[in-house]
Amino acid sequence: DQQVKQNSPSLSVQEGRISILNCDYTNSMFDYFLWYKKYPAEGPTFLISISSIKDKNEDGRFTVFLNKSAKHLSLHIVPSQPGDSAVYFCAASARRYAGGTSYGKLTFGQGTILTVHP
Amino acid sequence: EAGVAQSPRYKIIEKRQSVAFWCNPISGHATLYWYQQILGQGPKLLIQFQNNGVVDDSQLPKDRFSAERLKGVDSTLKIQPAKLEDSAVYLCASSLSVNSGNTIYFGEGSWLTVV
Repeated sequence: DQQVKQNSPSLSVQEGRISILNCDYTNSMFDYFLWYKKYPAEGPTFLISISSIKDKNEDGRFTVFLNKSAKHLSLHIVPSQPGDSAVYFCAASARRYAGGTSYGKLTFGQGTILTVHP
Repeated sequence: EAGVAQSPRYKIIEKRQSVAFWCNPISGHATLYWYQQILGQGPKLLIQFQNNGVVDDSQLPKDRFSAERLKGVDSTLKIQPAKLEDSAVYLCASSLSVNSGNTIYFGEGSWLTVV
């Protein structure tokens, strides 16, 4: 049961353009969403998060949008830079223990490989 | 501030052998997690501790995997006996508490290859 899905395994973008990474979820108990970036041979590093009471959160070049009715979130990177090339994971957590979802536990998507070409 | 420390970084063992991974979380973080990441997939939670108590171990293969967090700080994850399908990166992570809204910080991972 894949509760968090990233349907695009990879994305290729030209430097300076916008990168849009998408994520869908099925568990309506999720109330906190995060994006992590992972370089080869390193652990995931936190990038940006959003609570379910918001629909947008911005941090520099990174903006996360949340559409609760569609159970969809996206990460926008503008402008994209070659150093942004990495695997991006979407993750979600729930406030209450429900349906097997643990309090605070992160459920991850499969990841999207972003390549930004100079 | 020091991050989550893990060791060893890399381990190659034969199937049916045992292996142990160690993790030291960020100072003051009460919650500690072990995740398994198989190549091409997202990290999957194996076990979650709050201080030295287990919060969630529903996806831990208890016939071969065990974990402990004595004194509520460091943690070890053991696999015995290892199978080929255990080849993965084992990620330790920590957060301030179990409350949703606390960011989880990951270590660099321990890469296991079972041959």
